[in-house]
Amino acid sequence: AAGVIQSPRHLIKEKRETATLKCYPIPRHDTVYWYQQGPGQDPQFLISFYEKMQSDKGSIPDRFSAQQFSDYHSELNMSSLELGDSALYFCASSRRRDFQETQYFGPGTRLLVL
Amino acid sequence: LAKTTQPISMDSYEGQEVNITCSHNNIATNDYITWYQQFPSQGPRFIIQGYKTKVTNEVASLFIPADRKSSTLSLPRVSLSDTAVYYCLVGDRATSGTYKYIFGTGTRLKVLA
Repeated sequence: AAGVIQSPRHLIKEKRETATLKCYPIPRHDTVYWYQQGPGQDPQFLISFYEKMQSDKGSIPDRFSAQQFSDYHSELNMSSLELGDSALYFCASSRRRDFQETQYFGPGTRLLVL
Repeated sequence: LAKTTQPISMDSYEGQEVNITCSHNNIATNDYITWYQQFPSQGPRFIIQGYKTKVTNEVASLFIPADRKSSTLSLPRVSLSDTAVYYCLVGDRATSGTYKYIFGTGTRLKVLA
């Protein structure tokens, strides 16, 4: 079965640079979620989108922004990168018409800020 | 913001049943409780999901009491390959109305031969 696709899988940036992470949801899924997982920490919810509109917002820094496109893929844009942004970034997708809205996670993008 | 707490770690032997409990006092009314397994540097993998009472699938059971303030993941007859971190995931609606998805603090399960 098709899964959530994230790209790139690894990314190295320097402080103050920008980064863009991409997420391609499971086919027919209309909702996308972004999470950040620091070393040894549990995943922290950043933001979610449903039908191209932001639906819920978590601990997303002001330096980050995200959007969902007409084909339901999503991009997380990160500017003025800091050392503390080094983490695994996961995208998940679900289908809102399913009442339980099970989130299925991608493999993640590992971001290293030097 | 209410915390969703789990035991930090558990050890078990192969073939034993393992029960991991998650406390989620502030779960949103209509939300389901979902459990995930995570291996190092991989995305969380869906195990089971439920709303109330008991749910069972081919790999686990989930017990949820009537007040829904906790849930217990039960893994029957664990094997070495079940060594991983296990997370519960719930929705949390603050008094301000904001809604967030909250992962539990994670339980590191180590299965011994």
